[in-house]
Amino acid sequence: ETGVTQTPRHLVMGMTNKKSLKCEQHLGHNAMYWYKQSAKKPLELMFVYNFKEQTENNSVPSRFSPECPNSSHLFLHLHTLQPEDSALYLCASSQDGGSGSYEQYFGPGTRLTVT
Amino acid sequence: GEDVEQSLFLSVREGDSSVINCTYTDSSSTYLYWYKQEPGAGLQLLTYIFSNMDMKQDQRLTVLLNKKDKHLSLRIADTQTGDSAIYFCAESPSRSNDYKLSFGAGTTVTVRA
Repeated sequence: ETGVTQTPRHLVMGMTNKKSLKCEQHLGHNAMYWYKQSAKKPLELMFVYNFKEQTENNSVPSRFSPECPNSSHLFLHLHTLQPEDSALYLCASSQDGGSGSYEQYFGPGTRLTVT
Repeated sequence: GEDVEQSLFLSVREGDSSVINCTYTDSSSTYLYWYKQEPGAGLQLLTYIFSNMDMKQDQRLTVLLNKKDKHLSLRIADTQTGDSAIYFCAESPSRSNDYKLSFGAGTTVTVRA
């Protein structure tokens, strides 16, 4: 596998369910991100992890819980979601090594539908 | 208003040039990016420009930066059907937070025969 992978690609869950999204990067990067993409809205940055430490929590509700066990893996644990949480959830990674340009590389996303 | 603004739609004939425009608000932006998103896929980095440059060319892509007006554009020469996608402009707001990108809402480009 190369690049950034995400599983599952599609997820339908009820409001009382608990599920997890997984992201894995094979680029040797040390920063990872979760974004929420809703139709016709700018990407919303949710969480940032740098060297496994959470450096950003952009006022995300507690029903979204991130986990970063190592620099290659990032999870987003979901519980008691609301229908308005239905969106495409994108994971990205970048190299934080002082190279100057922190290009972010994205996974294909998980399309989440909350019923 | 939003930090990064783009028009939502652009329709272009195959073979013509496409120009996608973006305005941003943070004058201390260090890098500005263009990403492409095809249906069912994540965002793909197309190109980026450092704020001390005013132009960058990469094959069919030309990026123009007017720092005074905080205006960024992406020109695609000889537009093909495979260029149909959503294009996002993004900025790195400041040197100390280069990892934190601000994205526009995306411009949907439709290429017609």
